[in-house]
Amino acid sequence: GDSVTQMEGPVTLSEEAFLTINCTYTATGYPSLFWYVQYPGEGLQLLLKATKADDKGSNKGFEATYRKETTSFHLEKGSVQVSDSAVYFCAADRGSTLGRLYFGRGTQLTVWP
Amino acid sequence: EPEVTQTPSHQVTQMGQEVILHCVPISNHLYFYWYRQILGQKVEFLVSFYNNEISEKSEIFDDQFSVERPDGSNFTLKIRSTKLEDSAMYFCASGTSRNEQFFGPGTRLTVL
Repeated sequence: GDSVTQMEGPVTLSEEAFLTINCTYTATGYPSLFWYVQYPGEGLQLLLKATKADDKGSNKGFEATYRKETTSFHLEKGSVQVSDSAVYFCAADRGSTLGRLYFGRGTQLTVWP
Repeated sequence: EPEVTQTPSHQVTQMGQEVILHCVPISNHLYFYWYRQILGQKVEFLVSFYNNEISEKSEIFDDQFSVERPDGSNFTLKIRSTKLEDSAMYFCASGTSRNEQFFGPGTRLTVL
């Protein structure tokens, strides 16, 4: 069935380090892919998305490219900041009109100054 | 900036009791959702709601669960007889299309 597998955390980095959080999906259709971020005490916020193969989603210095051949949507940032410390969730829908999302487990990122 | 709100932030209840979790979606949104996250596990879809009816529900959303949009602004999740395993963070979300879901901050439900 449809599912999302995400790199488990926690991930601890120094400020200005390079970040990669891996995400792969299984889906029978043509899903849209998403990264959500959750800051402490807040809800899930959409960080970026890609709706078809080879699309690149980007926002706030984060990027992820929809790779159909490897069924992946890895999140990257070239230089993380302390303010990026949060939990990151990869998610996919089923490409239908209903919008049900399948989430990964979430990856806790902590950035030290 | 408009946002989804949820109340209460934390609900403690005894096993077997009924609970109602409240959500106020963003005002012009048409699609509504409930998800939950048991501690240490994935965020799981419960139900979607569109045009005043359930669009889809997961296998988790059994007869103990129900949703309502009683007054055009609130969107509630009711659990009729809570079990210990219902303890989780419950997230409400709303959107204008299938590609945009805006989430609330969640209600932490603790069943004793």
